[in-house]
Amino acid sequence: EADIYQTPRYLVIGTGKKITLECSQTMGHDKMYWYQQDPGMELHLIHYSYGVNSTEKGDLSSESTVSRIRTEHFPLTLESARPSHTSQYLCASSDTRPGSETQYFGPGTRLLVL
Amino acid sequence: KNQVEQSPQSLIILEGKNCTLQCNYTVSPFSNLRWYKQDTGRGPVSLTIMTFSENTKSNRRYTATLDADTKQSSLHITASQLSDSASYICVVSDRGSTLGRLYFGRGTQLTVWP
Repeated sequence: EADIYQTPRYLVIGTGKKITLECSQTMGHDKMYWYQQDPGMELHLIHYSYGVNSTEKGDLSSESTVSRIRTEHFPLTLESARPSHTSQYLCASSDTRPGSETQYFGPGTRLLVL
Repeated sequence: KNQVEQSPQSLIILEGKNCTLQCNYTVSPFSNLRWYKQDTGRGPVSLTIMTFSENTKSNRRYTATLDADTKQSSLHITASQLSDSASYICVVSDRGSTLGRLYFGRGTQLTVWP
């Protein structure tokens, strides 16, 4: 069982609300990622970080933002949620050591925007 | 275009039976290929990771094969159990960037019936 946590697990909110999805890991991993996954579809990378104060946008255009102030914490924020943001959001982390590239995923946050 | 295609899209088998899931990829250059298991409502969990030089790797009842020449991989599940019901995702990593970009398949949804 990976030591990576996400809260909340489920969230239902109205359009226009600001939300923050929390992700934390206790494995000391430098690399962290946010993915978006719709039912039956592949994971799409929306943000990643190599370490503290490092954040980059991923392949899928996203209106969300992230921050990496501490190694263990990688929150994702939506300033104004819209129904199109309804999806599952998965956080992951991995070690930077060569050969230790396996990503460990959190349980995910299922977001429903009404 | 780098892609990962999985088949079948879904599969139903009886408990105790064996099954094989397929993954074809066009990702180049190639670094490694991983199989993940994703239970409903959970994040993916790594089953195996295979590099270019590895042809087969086993993890309990899961056996993965890799043919780097034909760019094909398979995941064989032996003596299936009800707990094997999940989505199985094939993920291919290239070595064309510092990030070691990951390409995700859409997964095969496996259902094991008693």
